Amino acid sequence: AQSVTQLGSHVSVSEGALVLLRCNYSSSVPPYLFWYVQYPNQGLQLLLKYTTGATLVKGINGFEAEFKKSETSFHLTKPSAHMSDAAEYFCAVSVDFGNEKLTFGTGTRLTIIP
Amino acid sequence: EPEVTQTPSHQVTQMGQEVILRCVPISNHLYFYWYRQILGQKVEFLVSFYNNEISEKSEIFDDQFSVERPDGSNFTLKIRSTKLEDSAMYFCASSKGTSKQYFGPGTRLTVT
Repeated sequence: AQSVTQLGSHVSVSEGALVLLRCNYSSSVPPYLFWYVQYPNQGLQLLLKYTTGATLVKGINGFEAEFKKSETSFHLTKPSAHMSDAAEYFCAVSVDFGNEKLTFGTGTRLTIIP
Repeated sequence: EPEVTQTPSHQVTQMGQEVILRCVPISNHLYFYWYRQILGQKVEFLVSFYNNEISEKSEIFDDQFSVERPDGSNFTLKIRSTKLEDSAMYFCASSKGTSKQYFGPGTRLTVT
């Protein structure tokens, strides 16, 4: 079985500062890793995903994440935070290509300080 | 971009009543999912559906739950006899099997 741990249920950064949201995973087989964003009263939107290949993946809205197998991590970063980045962020893992049940972390609420 | 839609956006029901949550997945997608998110908790997998049958279900998805794709476009989640602890946001998702799942906006179910 796979699992995801997101360190920090709440993260606050100043506008223009670096955003770093942490995600560690556990999986007995090579994982597929995802970051989803949830804006208030909306559904989940895929930010980026890692399946195979290049370990640094770029997503929408200037976010990127790096898959580090040795650290079992998939941390999400953005060089410069924008007010519109305020949302809940979920890291997720799956291990099947096709019928890919997602296992989510508990989420990190990102607050941007003006 | 095509979207997954869900109705209703908010459903209030009394304990013991049956509810049906409706989803219209993206038209050329083949895999369908239900997830739920209890307030303040993480999103949890309930069930996946492919080729008109359940592919996988979680331990949450007990005999009170069922899914159906009645007409080739809708995908429904039925809870036969709701309990207070069923109160949650329920998300439908669909995919073509390319690892990207598209989520609907959710239905907030409140059981009183």
